[in-house]
Amino acid sequence: DVKVTQSSRYLVKRTGEKVFLECVQDMDHENMFWYRQDPGLGLRLIYFSYDVKMKEKGDIPEGYSVSREKKERFSLILESASTNQTSMYLCASTVGVQETQYFGPGTRLLVL
Amino acid sequence: QKEVEQDPGPLSVPEGAIVSLNCTYSNSAFQYFMWYRQYSRKGPELLMYTYSSGNKEDGRFTAQVDKSSKYISLFIRDSQPSDSATYLCAMTGGSNYKLTFGKGTLLTVNP
Repeated sequence: DVKVTQSSRYLVKRTGEKVFLECVQDMDHENMFWYRQDPGLGLRLIYFSYDVKMKEKGDIPEGYSVSREKKERFSLILESASTNQTSMYLCASTVGVQETQYFGPGTRLLVL
Repeated sequence: QKEVEQDPGPLSVPEGAIVSLNCTYSNSAFQYFMWYRQYSRKGPELLMYTYSSGNKEDGRFTAQVDKSSKYISLFIRDSQPSDSATYLCAMTGGSNYKLTFGKGTLLTVNP
């Protein structure tokens, strides 16, 4: 079974803090993704990575950066958290373009 | 027109009912179609995966794709309270890594 884990289930941060969300997959997948999910807006792609040290912007990259130093680990960074970044953050991984994505359990981030 | 349209519901049915969930899409390049189930406060999990047009059955679940109408469906037979969740359709053309998701339909199956 594919396992995608995320470092925290719930996180509370203050405006202006730097926030790190970490995702680890154990299936040697090439591709990893970060989404945010908001009521009424669905899942929106923030960034994805198709290889170590490679990344591409998704639909809503503003205010976020990512890091992929190892194949199994993909980090999402909020450089200076803002209240409009309060959301559910989901990490996913997949082995190939035509393959399904496997999701982690999500991190609920609240920025005060 | 949005790329993928999905009725958000909520949909409430009695236990044992047949449930029909649907998505329409506008991009004719989509070839791979998925249904995910997401329980409250959890990540989405893959339920069904189909390629191109046709039907696929897995237990109580049947996925149907009609590319000519740009319409996909998920049928749940003999629905159970444990089926209560949000169901997300997703699709891709297969030429890049991006999945396009519907916004999800919230289903409640009442005992």
